[in-house]
Amino acid sequence: DADVTQTPRNRITKTGKRIMLECSQTKGHDRMYWYRQDPGLGLRLIYYSFDVKDINKGEISDGYSVSRQAQAKFSLSLESAIPNQTALYFCATSDLWTGTGADTGELFFGEGSRLTVL
Amino acid sequence: LAKTTQPISMDSYEGQEVNITCSHNNIATNDYITWYQQFPSQGPRFIIQGYKTKVTNEVASLFIPADRKSSTLSLPRVSLSDTAVYYCLVGDPWDTGNQFYFGTGTSLTVIP
Repeated sequence: DADVTQTPRNRITKTGKRIMLECSQTKGHDRMYWYRQDPGLGLRLIYYSFDVKDINKGEISDGYSVSRQAQAKFSLSLESAIPNQTALYFCATSDLWTGTGADTGELFFGEGSRLTVL
Repeated sequence: LAKTTQPISMDSYEGQEVNITCSHNNIATNDYITWYQQFPSQGPRFIIQGYKTKVTNEVASLFIPADRKSSTLSLPRVSLSDTAVYYCLVGDPWDTGNQFYFGTGTSLTVIP
């Protein structure tokens, strides 16, 4: 089983609908992130959370909201989806970097959720 | 947060060594340099991280000059499976407010 699991993997919806993308992780990491990827634009950070009580906006948070239900779960919501939110969405986790041994504070990504808004 | 600049795309023949350079002129003293690889429709995955001089692991080497204003990811003897997008990130891992910004990356195409 994947360490970082995203559901659904694919979703087609209509303009104005509310959509929730869910992310769960078994890595025991405190830090979780949501990114979106559009062709030719790389990955852009939407929201991030460093622990259950901490939520922060990223580069492109407008039109999105998040919920950190538990250490292992971080959900992304589109309250009223619009076509330009059609994209590939990635959830990621990381651990606190300790600077010791092989620890790199690297990001671990889920397999992505492809969202199409018609 | 230091911004990075990378070439948009590169081509290479199989078996050649590939060097991808990243510019980060505003790198801060505590910043580390991290490279990720992304295959189509997959999430990026960590390749290598360094602070200065040279770092080598089983898949790549990372060269960082003394001024740290740039870095070079070196992939030895690439194969078709190395065709991917490569991202350079710069940031302070100790910074509790550190965010991971990916940019557009370098699309590497390996040619048979």
